[in-house]
Amino acid sequence: AQSVTQLGSHVSVSEGALVLLRCNYSSSVPPYLFWYVQYPNQGLQLLLKYTTGATLVKGINGFEAEFKKSETSFHLTKPSAHMSDAAEYFCAVSHSGGSNYKLTFGKGTLLTVNP
Amino acid sequence: GAGVSQSPSNKVTEKGKDVELRCDPISGHTALYWYRQSLGQGLEFLIYFQGNSAPDKSGLPSDRFSAERTGGSVSTLTIQRTQQEDSAVYLCASSPNQDRLPAGELFFGEGSRLTVL
Repeated sequence: AQSVTQLGSHVSVSEGALVLLRCNYSSSVPPYLFWYVQYPNQGLQLLLKYTTGATLVKGINGFEAEFKKSETSFHLTKPSAHMSDAAEYFCAVSHSGGSNYKLTFGKGTLLTVNP
Repeated sequence: GAGVSQSPSNKVTEKGKDVELRCDPISGHTALYWYRQSLGQGLEFLIYFQGNSAPDKSGLPSDRFSAERTGGSVSTLTIQRTQQEDSAVYLCASSPNQDRLPAGELFFGEGSRLTVL
């Protein structure tokens, strides 16, 4: 069964600093991987996704993530944090086989950006 | 509408009462999902609809929870005899038919925050 682990429920960075949010997954087959962002009192919106092809994927708002099969990781990065990046971030993995319609989400990482 | 619409946005109820939460997905999206978001628990899958059918209800926590979808569009999640542990944000999402591919992007509503006193 697929699962997602996000290391660190809360990450705090200074404005302008590197953002690194960690995600590891377990999957018996090559997965589809996603990062979603949730701003306060809003629904989730897609930041970026990996399906096939290039392992470094770029998303909105300057975020990117790299799929590393050997490490079963899909960490999210942004070179320079902005105050508007403060939100909760969720990593998700698609299922395979008969449950391929389903996404499993990690527990989320709350990003705080300090001035 | 342009996005997934959920109502009510906030619901406060007393323990033991029934509640109904509504989801209006993006027009043309055949797949519809309900997730529950509790503090520190991430998103918990509840139920999946393809059209009006629910091939996966495995995430519904108990028989107090039920959901239906009519006309391949609007869905209602019903919680009977609410308990305090039902307090959470209930998120609805829709997506186009994925055919045989693994799930792609889900489009989420803003959620219905349920508080059971």
